[in-house]
Amino acid sequence: DTAVSQTPKYLVTQMGNDKSIKCEQNLGHDTMYWYKQDSKKFLKIMFSYNNKELIINETVPNRFSPKSPDKAHLNLHINSLELGDSAVYFCASSSQRDTQYFGPGTRLTVL
Amino acid sequence: SQKIEQNSEALNIQEGKTATLTCNYTNYSPAYLQWYRQDPGRGPVFLLLIRENEKEKRKERLKVTFDTTLKQSLFHITASQPADSATYLCALDQTGANNLFFGTGTRLTVIP
Repeated sequence: DTAVSQTPKYLVTQMGNDKSIKCEQNLGHDTMYWYKQDSKKFLKIMFSYNNKELIINETVPNRFSPKSPDKAHLNLHINSLELGDSAVYFCASSSQRDTQYFGPGTRLTVL
Repeated sequence: SQKIEQNSEALNIQEGKTATLTCNYTNYSPAYLQWYRQDPGRGPVFLLLIRENEKEKRKERLKVTFDTTLKQSLFHITASQPADSATYLCALDQTGANNLFFGTGTRLTVIP
């Protein structure tokens, strides 16, 4: 069974479009995260959600918005996509003070 | 400014030798430090966690040390195998709340 899943795996879109990436975890964890990994492979935290509350937001443009319909899901919505948004986006989940489990990633390409 | 630097972008080592990867940080006071492995096209996978009051942690062929005075962690893989080839990432948790800040990563290649 997949622990943390993301859809789609690949996303190619035009500048200016709005898109969403979905994430689901079946581990019963209470915290979920979104990370961005750029072309230099640097992995940077974007958001985390704990019990439906946003607890960190690391200088991410407000074009990005996380939405958590329930504890098992944390979706990432991106408005007005820009070329610089091209990257691999990873979802992760964890229990409090435990290690993080990462999804397989979504490669976003903005043309 | 805050930085987390891993000693080299790439490290090549002969099979059977011990690989040593370094993680140095500035302007952080981590409660925990974690090491992850990332294979191409995949998400990072957790390997080891060490707390600020621990000096060393082991798991099979892996060993992590944590020196809060030097602001450094060393990650060792003994008897390295080609299957150990991957990118290794260190990550700091400042508060123990599991908000991770990742290092730049070291791509390890074990040569048969």
